[in-house]
Amino acid sequence: DAGVIQSPRHEVTEMGQEVTLRCKPISGHNSLFWYRQTMMRGLELLIYFNNNVPIDDSGMPEDRFSAKMPNASFSTLKIQPSEPRDSAVYFCASSHTDSGELFFGEGSRLTVL
Amino acid sequence: QKEVEQNSGPLSVPEGAIASLNCTYSDRGSQSFFWYRQYSGKSPELIMFIYSNGDKEDGRFTAQLNKASQYVSLLIRDSQPSDSATYLCAVNGPGANSKLTFGKGITLSVRP
Repeated sequence: DAGVIQSPRHEVTEMGQEVTLRCKPISGHNSLFWYRQTMMRGLELLIYFNNNVPIDDSGMPEDRFSAKMPNASFSTLKIQPSEPRDSAVYFCASSHTDSGELFFGEGSRLTVL
Repeated sequence: QKEVEQNSGPLSVPEGAIASLNCTYSDRGSQSFFWYRQYSGKSPELIMFIYSNGDKEDGRFTAQLNKASQYVSLLIRDSQPSDSATYLCAVNGPGANSKLTFGKGITLSVRP
């Protein structure tokens, strides 16, 4: 079975540019999560969706960040405009509702110069 | 605001020893507790979960939960170099749509 698929794996961009990260969750999972991981702050939840509906976006740092889930098999996280402090590994994860067993994608490593 | 705290580490143990990883949490209403392992450059993967007070064993791994003291620990017996990784404690609250909060992790190094 395919796991959570994220793209791109690596992204290097310049400050001010728009960045779009993509995620395909595991088929049948109805919860999707976007996390950001840095050495300083660890793994932080940005937003999560249940049945394609955003449930909690309190972790989204600011208005520059937005996330969508137009259907059960696709989600995007967009940063516009990007800043150097956004540099991190962004993980997408999926699970069955109310399960703590998250299945993570391989992550998207973002570097903003 | 739920907080999950882990020993700052890193932790280094010789091969064959017992590694003890500890985690405390702030929300008394927390119901579910998880340990994830993350190898360098890889994504986290679930290795253990525990819901009730006491011990839960799975092979060389034992999770221990004490809700009164608000701590959860992970013991790794007969540590192997392949256990070298960062271990993340995660806590989930009660009710639907409760989100999982992760600690910052502790890095374990098992010396051959």
